Amino acid sequence: AQSVTQPDIHITVSEGASLELRCNYSYGATPYLFWYVQSPGQGLQLLLKYFSGDTLVQGIKGFEAEFKRSQSSFNLRKPSVHWSDAAEYFCAVMTTDSWGKLQFGAGTQVVVTP
Amino acid sequence: SAVISQKPSRDICQRGTSLTIQCQVDSQVTMMFWYRQQPGQSLTLIATANQGSEATYESGFVIDKFPISRPNLTFSTLTVSNMSPEDSSIYLCSAREDRANYGYTFGSGTRLTVV
Repeated sequence: AQSVTQPDIHITVSEGASLELRCNYSYGATPYLFWYVQSPGQGLQLLLKYFSGDTLVQGIKGFEAEFKRSQSSFNLRKPSVHWSDAAEYFCAVMTTDSWGKLQFGAGTQVVVTP
Repeated sequence: SAVISQKPSRDICQRGTSLTIQCQVDSQVTMMFWYRQQPGQSLTLIATANQGSEATYESGFVIDKFPISRPNLTFSTLTVSNMSPEDSSIYLCSAREDRANYGYTFGSGTRLTVV
């Protein structure tokens, strides 16, 4: 069955430290991949997306993600986190045979400490 | 990218009543979707709102409980019918932009509490 896995439910990181959020997918072909951020009480904001081409994708707010086909992964990174990065982060995938529907991972809650 | 206006942003409703949530997109989009996010959970797709035809529902969701309208390419509504406390969730609409390099845009969500 197709699936999207975010292994880390909760991550605590110090302000200024680096952050990496993991995302793994299980699909027969390369899906379209997305990372979204949801701040408390807010909707979802697109950080970045990967459709094809360069496997290192730059997004907004200083985030980047790397697609690794061999590992079926699309991990999100930020070199130095800010207190405002505290939020819920969702990985999502879309496959061409799913009629354009997004499937979301369970999410990773990021807490930033001083 | 497209901007979605979703309303209401929140509501507290009595059990047994219905609430209609509206989403307006500032440009024409082919595909619109409705999601439910239960407290502390991820997003679950309710249905795909099809313009000019009946919505396509995911397993576990039925039209009688979540009727959806999509009268044109910029607007959709979701009604949560005969509500119970278990329907307390955030409901989000989403639109997929038709240009190939754009992603999916989301409304700001409707936080529904059923008492």
